[in-house]
Amino acid sequence: GAGVSQSPRYKVAKRGQDVALRCDPISGHVSLFWYQQALGQGPEFLTYFQNEAQLDKSGLPSDRFFAERPEGSVSTLKIQRTQQEDSAVYLCASSLGQGTGELFFGEGSRLTVL
Amino acid sequence: SQQGEEDPQALSIQEGENATMNCSYKTSINNLQWYRQNSGRGLVHLILIRSNEREKHSGRLRVTLDTSKKSSSLLITASRAADTASYFCATDPQGGSEKLVFGKGTKLTVNP
Repeated sequence: GAGVSQSPRYKVAKRGQDVALRCDPISGHVSLFWYQQALGQGPEFLTYFQNEAQLDKSGLPSDRFFAERPEGSVSTLKIQRTQQEDSAVYLCASSLGQGTGELFFGEGSRLTVL
Repeated sequence: SQQGEEDPQALSIQEGENATMNCSYKTSINNLQWYRQNSGRGLVHLILIRSNEREKHSGRLRVTLDTSKKSSSLLITASRAADTASYFCATDPQGGSEKLVFGKGTKLTVNP
């Protein structure tokens, strides 16, 4: 596709529900990142994939958060038993090569947990 | 945790004026990047400056990097109302894994 695509754009969940957020990166991009952005703050790193390998998951806040990229393309961020503090915008970004060159971001998925 | 700190947190100027935003960071870096985010949208890459570079230009943007002071500045010249957005610096720390660490951002408002 032309850019990084994320779905859903908006998700409202009741506390305790599981949610899944999808990211479709730019075709051919090797690296994929997930960030969490709270209102009025900068993006906070969650996890990083190089192709299908999850090389860094140090930013995942708890074991309720799980990400995968099984075929090295589309990625899914899953949050189990959502809590109110999980409310945020979840941003996906991809880049062409390894390492930290220019990142291309999607529009984000805004999660609201009631 | 966030490595970069932008200053000021908010900036309001008139169209045609220049806008300067500063970023300070804590650890040695490979490169520093600036991104822009319109309200409710994703981030858009503006410019990347490597640790061995001191200044870089792109259109109306000028970025400086002072590694001795661990700081960078972004200058937008002849600002336009369409420049209204939040601006973030992001660093690629040396010796860390391959990820960008973002600051909290500067919210710029350009009044027509």
